[in-house]
Amino acid sequence: GAVVSQHPSRVICKSGTSVKIECRSLDFQATTMFWYRQFPKQSLMLMATSNEGSKATYEQGVEKDKFLINHASLTLSTLTVTSAHPEDSSFYICSARDAEGWSSYEQYFGPGTRLTVT
Amino acid sequence: KNEVEQSPQNLTAQEGEFITINCSYSVGISALHWLQQHPGGGIVSLFMLSSGKKKHGRLIATINIQEKHSSLHITASHPRDSAVYICAVQLGGAQKLVFGQGTRLTINP
Repeated sequence: GAVVSQHPSRVICKSGTSVKIECRSLDFQATTMFWYRQFPKQSLMLMATSNEGSKATYEQGVEKDKFLINHASLTLSTLTVTSAHPEDSSFYICSARDAEGWSSYEQYFGPGTRLTVT
Repeated sequence: KNEVEQSPQNLTAQEGEFITINCSYSVGISALHWLQQHPGGGIVSLFMLSSGKKKHGRLIATINIQEKHSSLHITASHPRDSAVYICAVQLGGAQKLVFGQGTRLTINP
């Protein structure tokens, strides 16, 4: 099946620094990738939709200047948390849509990145 | 009221029991997904449904579009099935998913 990887799996950073998280589709091309955030014991919340070669579409309430998304190729999207604060500590998950898959609705999820801001 | 409601929120059962998790939604959808999230956090896509029924091993997923309801069944449950099961719907022609709150399943040996 289709595989999506994320790097790093865990990161601890100091308040005020920036952190970049990578999401890669390993064996398929993804025109669209999605970034989610999950707080403890809560469900996933969509942060933004990222389309290759164009600007990301952010959900209401998500600061686009704080969460920078770049989708420069069909296999890679990055999320950069700028000037991180402790309240940004969360589990960040990406998913990717197979551009040529049999189903336009199938999404494949990455393993997630746990960010802790101290 | 959430657009996607799951029940129960928590479920504890003994190994071997037949498990049912329910998902109801209140909007028109193009597809419904069942996802599994283990304690480490990684998410696995179990099923994607737009109609009828799908089976994979001990897992069965059904959907009734008219009643806006889906169920996930696990036969001969095993402790390794312990996880959070999440129902997510794809709205109309939209790409993004709307998630239920999840059902935390614990299977005791």
